[in-house]
Amino acid sequence: AQSVTQPDIHITVSEGASLELRCNYSYGATPYLFWYVQSPGQGLQLLLKYFSGDTLVQGIKGFEAEFKRSQSSFNLRKPSVHWSDAAEYFCAVAASSNYKLTFGKGTLLTVNP
Amino acid sequence: DTAVSQTPKYLVTQMGNDKSIKCEQNLGHDTMYWYKQDSKKFLKIMFSYNNKELIINETVPNRFSPKSPDKAHLNLHINSLELGDSAVYFCASSQDPAPGRGTGELFFGEGSRLTVL
Repeated sequence: AQSVTQPDIHITVSEGASLELRCNYSYGATPYLFWYVQSPGQGLQLLLKYFSGDTLVQGIKGFEAEFKRSQSSFNLRKPSVHWSDAAEYFCAVAASSNYKLTFGKGTLLTVNP
Repeated sequence: DTAVSQTPKYLVTQMGNDKSIKCEQNLGHDTMYWYKQDSKKFLKIMFSYNNKELIINETVPNRFSPKSPDKAHLNLHINSLELGDSAVYFCASSQDPAPGRGTGELFFGEGSRLTVL
């Protein structure tokens, strides 16, 4: 069965600083990988996904993520954080062999002015 | 128009009561889901329906019963509510039941916060 680990429960950055949120997955074959964002009181919204091909994927709101098979990682990055990026970020993995999308426990991002 | 809408948004009730949460999507998707988010924000799938057929049924107490009257609706009924049922319940929909097919994107509602006293 697949699983996801987000090692950082809470990260604080200053507005304008760069951001990297970590995600490690466990799955035997090539996984399908996703990053979702949840703003306070809202549902989740897809930021980006990786299925195959180019390992650097671009998403909405200026986010990107890089799939590294050797490290079983799919870290999310943004070069310059805006105050509106403050939210909970979830990494998720799906296997080709089942219909389940498994979420990590999330990383809360706080942005200081 | 809201793509995935849930009602009610907030629900406060006593232990032992029965309650329902309704979900509707206007995206024309074939697949709908119920997720539970606990107080630590952990998101776990409960059920998934594709074309009104149950395809995922996680280890959920049988006090929880989903019902899909048609492809656009998925309701969740909970009997004999317990304190541990307090959570935010999210409905979601997708074009395809397999996350690795189609766009793979799940569209979430805004959640229904259930508090059991």
